[in-house]
Amino acid sequence: DAMVIQNPRYQVTQFGKPVTLSCSQTLNHNVMYWYQQKSSQAPKLLFHYYDKDFNNEADTPDNFQSRRPNTSFCFLDIRSPGLGDAAMYLCATSRDRSSGVNEQFFGPGTRLTVL
Amino acid sequence: GQQLNQSPQSMFIQEGEDVSMNCTSSSIFNTWLWYKQDPGEGPVLLIALYKAGELTSNGRLTAQFGITRKDSFLNISASIPSDVGIYFCAGRDSNYQLIWGAGTKLIIKP
Repeated sequence: DAMVIQNPRYQVTQFGKPVTLSCSQTLNHNVMYWYQQKSSQAPKLLFHYYDKDFNNEADTPDNFQSRRPNTSFCFLDIRSPGLGDAAMYLCATSRDRSSGVNEQFFGPGTRLTVL
Repeated sequence: GQQLNQSPQSMFIQEGEDVSMNCTSSSIFNTWLWYKQDPGEGPVLLIALYKAGELTSNGRLTAQFGITRKDSFLNISASIPSDVGIYFCAGRDSNYQLIWGAGTKLIIKP
C-alpha cells in the first residue's frame, strides 16, 4: 500500500543533543511537510518542500532544519533540542500544493522526548 | 491572522447517538478537510470538500462545505466505540495555507 512512513516512532534524546527524524513516502507526491504537535493541540506547520524548493514558516525556530535528498525522503534535524521541543512530529505529503486535489496524508508520527 | 473556530471542544455521548461538530472561519476557504486522530497516531483524512454547498458522505460520516465558504460541519451517525478520538477541521485559504481548527475530542460514555 502507498503510504507515509516515519522512523523511529519514538525517539529519546538529551537536552542539546542533535537528533534527526526521518520520513519516507511511496505516494510519489511532490510536497512533503513537517508538523509539530503538542498535547491536545492542532498540528503546527514547521516547513514544507515543494519538490526541491524549501519553504520555511516565519515562526519556525532556527533550531529546526530539514533536508529532502530525493522525492521519497525528507528529514527533520533538530540541532539543539530543548525541553520545549518535546512533542509529536508529523510528516505529511500532498500531490500538489495549489491545485484542487491537495489533500495532505500523514504518517504515524514520531514522539520525541527530551531528557 | 486567520481565525478558525471549531466547536465543541469536546463531546461526551452515548454509543448509538449522532454527533455533530462544526468549524467557522473569519475568511473564505477554498477547501475544507476533516481529519480524525487517534492517540499516538497521525491524523487520518476522513472527508475533503472542494465546492461551496458540497455535501459528501463516507460511511456514517457526512460533511458539508458551507454556502458562504466560511464554515463546514461534520456529522457522525450512530456512533460506535471506535469513533472516539480527536476530530480536526482544516481549511485552505486563497494563499493555499492550511489553517487548522483546535479539534473536537469525542468521548463515548460507558
